Amino acid sequence: EVQLVQSGAEVKKPGESLRISCKGSGYNFANYRIGWVRQMPGKGLEWIGIIYPTDSTTKYSPSFQGRVTISADKSVSTAYLQWGSLKASDTAIYYCARHSGYSGAGYYSIVPDYWGQGTLVTVSS
Amino acid sequence: QSVLTQPPSASGTPGQRVTISCSGSISNIGGNTVTWFQQLPGTAPKLLIHSNNQRPSGVPDRFSGSKSGTSASLAISGLQSEDEADYYCAVWDDTLNGVFGGGTKLTVL
Repeated sequence: EVQLVQSGAEVKKPGESLRISCKGSGYNFANYRIGWVRQMPGKGLEWIGIIYPTDSTTKYSPSFQGRVTISADKSVSTAYLQWGSLKASDTAIYYCARHSGYSGAGYYSIVPDYWGQGTLVTVSS
Repeated sequence: QSVLTQPPSASGTPGQRVTISCSGSISNIGGNTVTWFQQLPGTAPKLLIHSNNQRPSGVPDRFSGSKSGTSASLAISGLQSEDEADYYCAVWDDTLNGVFGGGTKLTVL
């Protein structure tokens, strides 16, 4: 069974650093991209970026480039999302999701098919 | 404000058919496939439709997707109370840059 298990809720102060994790199991972790998504309180989903654990190549949304860092350690089947200096506006639930490729007549899509349970990050002084 | 436009809300009565629209442009929907997610209250999103109209295993055939030009739609037939949720469209381009719609809150009356 494919599972993505995320680290627990965090409460931090503005300016502090943070790294949250997403551990995959039930599949070959290195072969599937992991993406991260933000959901601010009462708001919609926002795509942050994606990593390919095999070679750690990353792609970031322009809205998050420079604000967060996505990394992965395939030896422990875990992806990470980290901040160097948190702001109150970083308060949100963060989801990781495995991306799989689907192909058919005339199309090839890479989409999130399995999701973690989410990590609530609260940044408050 | 998202580049993919969804109505903020939709509603229907049990048994009805409802549709949720997702409007974009040639650079997103027009040139790529559309994905739909369902997010039940307090839970993680769930993949509902990929590649415009493909249902993953386990998704009831009451859910269907379509795309035409720079717009896409999610249709839910035989509406049930457990379908009350937030629904999001999304697109990933060939460089894996992703974008979500603003979401539609579906209420079953």
